[in-house]
Amino acid sequence: AQTVTQSQPEMSVQEAETVTLSCTYDTSESDYYLFWYKQPPSRQMILVIRQEAYKQQNATENRFSVNFQKAAKSFSLKISDSQLGDAAMYFCAYRSPPIYSGNTPLVFGKGTRLSVIA
Amino acid sequence: EPEVTQTPSHQVTQMGQEVILRCVPISNHLYFYWYRQILGQKVEFLVSFYNNEISEKSEIFDDQFSVERPDGSNFTLKIRSTKLEDSAMYFCASELGTSARQPQHFGDGTRLSIL
Repeated sequence: AQTVTQSQPEMSVQEAETVTLSCTYDTSESDYYLFWYKQPPSRQMILVIRQEAYKQQNATENRFSVNFQKAAKSFSLKISDSQLGDAAMYFCAYRSPPIYSGNTPLVFGKGTRLSVIA
Repeated sequence: EPEVTQTPSHQVTQMGQEVILRCVPISNHLYFYWYRQILGQKVEFLVSFYNNEISEKSEIFDDQFSVERPDGSNFTLKIRSTKLEDSAMYFCASELGTSARQPQHFGDGTRLSIL
């Protein structure tokens, strides 16, 4: 079974600075999908960024980018120019390719709580 | 933007009682999921639902759990005889289902407290 590990329970960053959240995973599959979800306090989890394992190029979405190291099974999230609104719980998630019965569930890490200091 | 909505936001129930958690997925989505998060632990998959039947379930999803989509809009999770260890945050999610790269859309969650 696949596992996802987020080794940083809590992180903090000064406003306008850059922070990197780490995520490693364990799998024997060669094709899969990786996601970062953000959960603000008392709000829904929303997708931040995703990466397909077959793509070598790292995904970017505005201030958010990933460092995907397939051989090392590492998928870190970099937040540039941090803003107060970035304060949230961040979850790394893994998804296997679809199986005969349809789409597969997400496997989550325990999350990293990010605080942004003004 | 359409959202997944869950009710209630907080449910307090006596051990041994039945509880039903409700979710309204996004209307054109085809796959539905329940996850749970026990305090301080990972978000864990419970069950996925497609075409009016369970498509996959985890070891956690034993006989005390059931899901249904009774009226084409609501998606419910029933726990028949609750135990203390069922206390957790329960998240519903839905997705379009056209590709595994598509995100799952989550509700705010229901906090279930078993006394």
